Parts: sequence; C-alpha cells; structure tokens
Amino acid sequence: RKEVEQDPGPFNVPEGATVAFNCTYSNSASQSFFWYRQDCRKEPKLLMSVYSSGNEDGRFTAQLNRASQYISLLIRDSKLSDSATYLCVVNGPGGYNKLIFGAGTRLAVHP
Amino acid sequence: GAVVSQHPSWVICKSGTSVKIECRSLDFQATTMFWYRQFPKQSLMLMATSNEGSKATYEQGVEKDKFLINHASLTLSTLTVTSAHPEDSSFYICSPGGGGPETQYFGPGTRLLVL
Repeated sequence: RKEVEQDPGPFNVPEGATVAFNCTYSNSASQSFFWYRQDCRKEPKLLMSVYSSGNEDGRFTAQLNRASQYISLLIRDSKLSDSATYLCVVNGPGGYNKLIFGAGTRLAVHP
Repeated sequence: GAVVSQHPSWVICKSGTSVKIECRSLDFQATTMFWYRQFPKQSLMLMATSNEGSKATYEQGVEKDKFLINHASLTLSTLTVTSAHPEDSSFYICSPGGGGPETQYFGPGTRLLVL
C-alpha cells in the first residue's frame, strides 16, 4: 500500500464547478498535513495546511479525518487558473520535516 | 516565501557522465537540505536528507555512492549524479528546511535527461 494515495484523475470540469479531491494516508503517527499545487514542469507550492478542525482559504476548503486517515480538498467556483496537479502531503516516519507526497490529482478546468 | 535557486534548470548529458546540480537558499540559512526526485506522473520521492557540515542520510534504495550530496554551507548544497544512466533521467528538486514542514520551500527543479 502506498503511504499516500490519491485518485490520479484527471478531473475535467467547467469553469465555476465545484470539485473535490480525496486522499488517504497510511501512517497513523503523521501529525502534519498539507495540500500542494504543482504546475506542469514546476516545483510544488504549498496551497494550504490541513487542520483537524478543517480550514478554509477563499474558495479552498480542506478537511482532515484522523480516524479514517483521510484528507480532502474542495475547490469551489473553479477558475481556469486552478488547472494543475494537486498533491496530498503528510509528514512521514523518521522526522517532523520529512514529507511524503501523493502522486497527485490532475485538474483541468475548461471554459 | 523563501527564495531558492537551482542550477542548471535542465541538462542533457551522455550516459556515463557526471552531473552536478546546485541548490542555493538565497535569503535564509538552511540547516537541513532535502533532495527529491520525481519521475513522470509519479510523486516526489525523498532521496536524501543532509545537515550542514555532516554526511547525508539516504532513503532506502538510493545509492549514496551514485548520488553524492555536499552541504558545505548554510546556503549551498550540491547533488552530483555520478556515471548517469538513462534511468536517472528525472526532475530533481531541492528543499531547504529546518524551520518545520510548513516553512519548507522548494527549488525550481532541475530536469535531467540522460541519453
């Protein structure tokens, strides 16, 4: 089983749509959770951290369910500029700073 | 966010040659440097972790004699791919750290193609 699993997609949605991504992780000891965004041939960039209470940043909402070891990202009112690959990331065994990346879910927003 | 540079941004080389990739943290001092690689349509995989002035710790399956890491200063780390082969073709990304996972930044990456 992969340490972080995501649906690879692609998700093809029209502008204005709401889209949800899911992620599961295997290490129950993980304490830090993130969503990163990666554009084609670029480095990943932090989109948002994910907290147990859930958190929202504009059109983006992240949820964490520790019992199920499940993380989600909801994007409302999709924009063309949201087209990218979204990476689910958790800190892994062996160190607070060691990040384990999912393979990513590709999102394509079309006019 | 922090400014991190990598050089070169892309390189094409013949099989058997060695390639050195530089990573610089331009506006902060990185006590720790993480090196990742990413094959097409796959996740970033941590290759090794280095602390300034000490030997790097390699992840399982990563050959330390093939991927030489030097972290001689708080602003510069290098990764040398020795005797590169086509299967080493990948996207190599450095990530200076030490301030916690929420402040971990990534370099722009180096795309290596070995012919």
